[in-house]
Amino acid sequence: GAVVSQHPSWVICKSGTSVKIECRSLDFQATTMFWYRQFPKQSLMLMATSNEGSKATYEQGVEKDKFLINHASLTLSTLTVTSAHPEDSSFYICSANSGRGALRDTQYFGPGTRLTVL
Amino acid sequence: GQQLNQSPQSMFIQEGEDVSMNCTSSSIFNTWLWYKQDPGEGPVLLIALYKAGELTSNGRLTAQFGITRKDSFLNISASIPSDVGIYFCAGQRRRGGSEKLVFGKGTKLTVNP
Repeated sequence: GAVVSQHPSWVICKSGTSVKIECRSLDFQATTMFWYRQFPKQSLMLMATSNEGSKATYEQGVEKDKFLINHASLTLSTLTVTSAHPEDSSFYICSANSGRGALRDTQYFGPGTRLTVL
Repeated sequence: GQQLNQSPQSMFIQEGEDVSMNCTSSSIFNTWLWYKQDPGEGPVLLIALYKAGELTSNGRLTAQFGITRKDSFLNISASIPSDVGIYFCAGQRRRGGSEKLVFGKGTKLTVNP
């Protein structure tokens, strides 16, 4: 149980285009989802926290107009990188939490999405 | 953003050896977690610690939550090749999966057969 998937697993796009990444909780309902960015050989840095049905809370320094987050259902959150540039190339990872029951204390991570902007 | 101080940055060991890594913070965390990340994958939770002084084991892994709540260590005994990967510590101000995680910089472990 507690499986989180991401789609796509990798994407290559041209500079200036927008890319959407999906994060799904497959066997539980996620009241909270998190989005992280990880540059090569570095740690995970939290970008934003999203609660189902409300606006995402962005970390300091993360542009909310550039990284659009939508958490429209209890099993799906999306991250859209708008007008992507090469410096946005990174590994994007989501995590999800159910907020209840035996799973309430744990964030379950997706497998990540590798974004390369040419 | 804030990060935890994790050391060592990397370790090269022989199969069968024990490994120890630690994490420190200038501020208090009320939950400490240890994750392992394989290349191109998301992190997987190894051990969660919720009480100061707590010592918890998961197979060959043992982790402790420091008394001051500002540090934690992870030990791996009798290492095997599949232990290779990057190990991250993470802290939370409060217990709960909806709480933000602050990560350490990671310890890259290489195990020579």
